[in-house]
Amino acid sequence: GQNIDQPTEMTATEGAIVQINCTYQTSGFNGLFWYQQHAGEAPTFLSYNVLDGLEEKGRFSSFLSRSKGYSYLLLKELQMKDSASYLCAVRDHDYKLSFGAGTTVTVRA
Amino acid sequence: IAGITQAPTSQILAAGRRMTLRCTQDMRHNAMYWYRQDLGLGLRLIHYSNTAGTTGKGEVPDGYSVSRANTDDFPLTLASAVPSQTSVYFCASSVGLAGNNEQFFGPGTRLTVL
Repeated sequence: GQNIDQPTEMTATEGAIVQINCTYQTSGFNGLFWYQQHAGEAPTFLSYNVLDGLEEKGRFSSFLSRSKGYSYLLLKELQMKDSASYLCAVRDHDYKLSFGAGTTVTVRA
Repeated sequence: IAGITQAPTSQILAAGRRMTLRCTQDMRHNAMYWYRQDLGLGLRLIHYSNTAGTTGKGEVPDGYSVSRANTDDFPLTLASAVPSQTSVYFCASSVGLAGNNEQFFGPGTRLTVL
């Protein structure tokens, strides 16, 4: 099984940068995903990491260190529409996803 | 249909009743999944299917059953609902289990068991 930890809440100002950390303990690692979920909506895919390093996709970047069981999602140039919950999910050796409880990010003007 | 759909959108159900949540995708994805989402606990996998004709148990399968008669449909059945099954249920699909295959989620079904 997986044990996935991420902060419950974060607040940041419009235009700023926020980093959401995720730590995990796993019996087998087969990739890490980040999803965005707006209130009352379905999760949508943001990023995927399977090798160590940084993956950049526009204003969003995701980093992975497998040896440390650690990932972060970096949101740059924050916009009001970025207010949402961000879910860290780890895929195990059986290819099943385990999700963290999510980090609610509030962007203030 | 475009993507993945779920029905009903919401339901209030008496304890002990049988209920089937429907899920249909038109992306010809091989893999499908059912999750429940509860406040503070995140998404938890109930059942999954690698391909039509096969199913597997997730983290919280008790009280639920699934079938995968064809590629498109993956219904979730609660044989005898209990209040602890009050939750938001999400169906998802992906091209396959491995690689960078992201899961696409349906809009969810909000179920209340009284």
